[in-house]
Amino acid sequence: GAVVSQHPSWVICKSGTSVKIECRSLDFQATTMFWYRQFPKQSLMLMATSNEGSKATYEQGVEKDKFLINHASLTLSTLTVTSAHPEDSSFYICSARDWQLHYNSPLHFGNGTRLTVT
Amino acid sequence: KNEVEQSPQNLTAQEGEFITINCSYSVGISALHWLQQHPGGGIVSLFMLSSGKKKHGRLIATINIQEKHSSLHITASHPRDSAVYICAVGGGGSEKLVFGKGTKLTVNP
Repeated sequence: GAVVSQHPSWVICKSGTSVKIECRSLDFQATTMFWYRQFPKQSLMLMATSNEGSKATYEQGVEKDKFLINHASLTLSTLTVTSAHPEDSSFYICSARDWQLHYNSPLHFGNGTRLTVT
Repeated sequence: KNEVEQSPQNLTAQEGEFITINCSYSVGISALHWLQQHPGGGIVSLFMLSSGKKKHGRLIATINIQEKHSSLHITASHPRDSAVYICAVGGGGSEKLVFGKGTKLTVNP
């Protein structure tokens, strides 16, 4: 089945530094990838929709200058948390959809990245 | 009120029991997804359905569009079924999914 690889699976960084998270579709092409954040015991919250070759669409309340998204190819999207602060500590997870299928086709999720900012 | 409500929030069962998790939504949709999130965080898509019923192994998902309600059933539950089950709805003209808070299922041996 379709696989989405997310890296790293966990990262600890110091306050003020930047962290890059990668999301790759391994056996299909994805024109659209989604980035979510999940706080403990909360539901997934969509942060932004990453579109290959164009600017990402951010959800209300998500700072686009803080959470930089780049979708440079049909198989790779990156999320960079810039100037990270302890309140950015969370579980970040991406998902992707096979571009050849209808937009309501199943989503394939990465395994997530647990970010801890000290 | 959340657009997607799941019940129960937590569920503990004995191995072999029949499990039902419910999902109600208040928005227009074209598809509903059932997802399984493992303790490590990884998410697996179990079902995507827009009408009727789907079955995969011991899992069955049903949806009633008129009542805006879906159920996920697990027959002959097993400890390896222990996970958080998440209902998400999408479509209605948008690619975005709206997620429920999840139901934490624990199946004891």
